[in-house]
Amino acid sequence: AQSVTQPDIHITVSEGASLELRCNYSYGATPYLFWYVQSPGQGLQLLLKYFSGDTLVQGIKGFEAEFKRSQSSFNLRKPSVHWSDAAEYFCAVGATSGTYKYIFGTGTRLKVLA
Amino acid sequence: EAGVAQSPRYKIIEKRQSVAFWCNPISGHATLYWYQQILGQGPKLLIQFQNNGVVDDSQLPKDRFSAERLKGVDSTLKIQPAKLEDSAVYLCASSGQGHQPQHFGDGTRLSIL
Repeated sequence: AQSVTQPDIHITVSEGASLELRCNYSYGATPYLFWYVQSPGQGLQLLLKYFSGDTLVQGIKGFEAEFKRSQSSFNLRKPSVHWSDAAEYFCAVGATSGTYKYIFGTGTRLKVLA
Repeated sequence: EAGVAQSPRYKIIEKRQSVAFWCNPISGHATLYWYQQILGQGPKLLIQFQNNGVVDDSQLPKDRFSAERLKGVDSTLKIQPAKLEDSAVYLCASSGQGHQPQHFGDGTRLSIL
């Protein structure tokens, strides 16, 4: 069975600073991995996905994530955070067969200081 | 491309009442999902449809929750009777065939008094 851990419940960064959100997963093979962002009162928007190939994945809004098989991690990064990035971020691991079921982490709430 | 549509956006009911949510997925998406998101938690899958058939409802509380997708397009999720612990956001998502990413609607925020 797959599982996802997001160790940081809250993170606060200053605008213009770099950002890294952590995600660790458990899965019996190489999984599908996703990062979603959720603004207040909104649904989840896909930032980026990893299926296979290049382990550094580029997404929308200047985000990137790196898949590290040896560490079972898929951390999200952004070199310079904007105030509009304040939101909740969810990592998800997807099964690669069967129902392609997703399991979501508990989320990391990002606060950006002006 | 139109996104996943959900209604209503908000609903307030008293415990033991019934409530229904509606979802219209992205056109052509065969797979439809209903998630429950309790405050401070990630979304939890309630039920997954492939066309009009159920492929996973292992976490659906079947004594009070039901869902249908009769024509393989839009779907309804019903709760009857509602309990206080059902207060949550109910998210609908859809995806294309195979391992395509899921696309989410804005959700319905349910408050139980």
